[in-house]
Amino acid sequence: NAGVMQNPRHLVRRRGQEARLRCSPMKGHSHVYWYRQLPEEGLKFMVYLQKENIIDESGMPKERFSAEFPKEGPSILRIQQVVRGDSAAYFCASSPQGQANTGELFFGEGSRLTVL
Amino acid sequence: AQRVTQPEKLLSVFKGAPVELKCNYSYSGSPELFWYVQYSRQRLQLLLRHISRESIKGFTADLNKGETSFHLKKPFAQEEDSAMYYCALSKMGTSYGKLTFGQGTILTVHP
Repeated sequence: NAGVMQNPRHLVRRRGQEARLRCSPMKGHSHVYWYRQLPEEGLKFMVYLQKENIIDESGMPKERFSAEFPKEGPSILRIQQVVRGDSAAYFCASSPQGQANTGELFFGEGSRLTVL
Repeated sequence: AQRVTQPEKLLSVFKGAPVELKCNYSYSGSPELFWYVQYSRQRLQLLLRHISRESIKGFTADLNKGETSFHLKKPFAQEEDSAMYYCALSKMGTSYGKLTFGQGTILTVHP
């Protein structure tokens, strides 16, 4: 099992461009979470998705950010019209379907976004 | 709102010395507390959870509701314990992994 796969690992964008971050969960996992880590801060929850459904997006900024987890393919976190404040590490995590909350999330290596 | 505070950004000890990584939380309900660890060049992974009352790699953590703390302890630190440690909280009974993380503590164990 290759674990949670995120790509790209590093992404550089200029202000106003779009950023797309992809996440493939571990095999057999159907729950995906996105977390953001700003410099000098801890990870902050953004969104929780299951296949074709957004379950909890309470941590997502109201504008420019969106996430999806289609029936086929990876989960995608999309940031439109990026600004310098979007520069951060974005982590994806997954957990198995039907598992009661044990708190065990399986994390990817993260995608580091730099906005020039 | 819930909050997790790790007051020490950096912690250095010598091999064989006791180590304690502090974690305090603020939450009005019943929390579930966790410690996650990230070793060099590895992914963030779960170290232990308070409901399991287990010792992992010699580490233990006791939930103290009176002091709202969940400090991570090990009596004899090893060099391989050097890593970034995050304390995290979730709402008890939450059916998914929505965690609130602290800022993290970098532990360095010197030979």
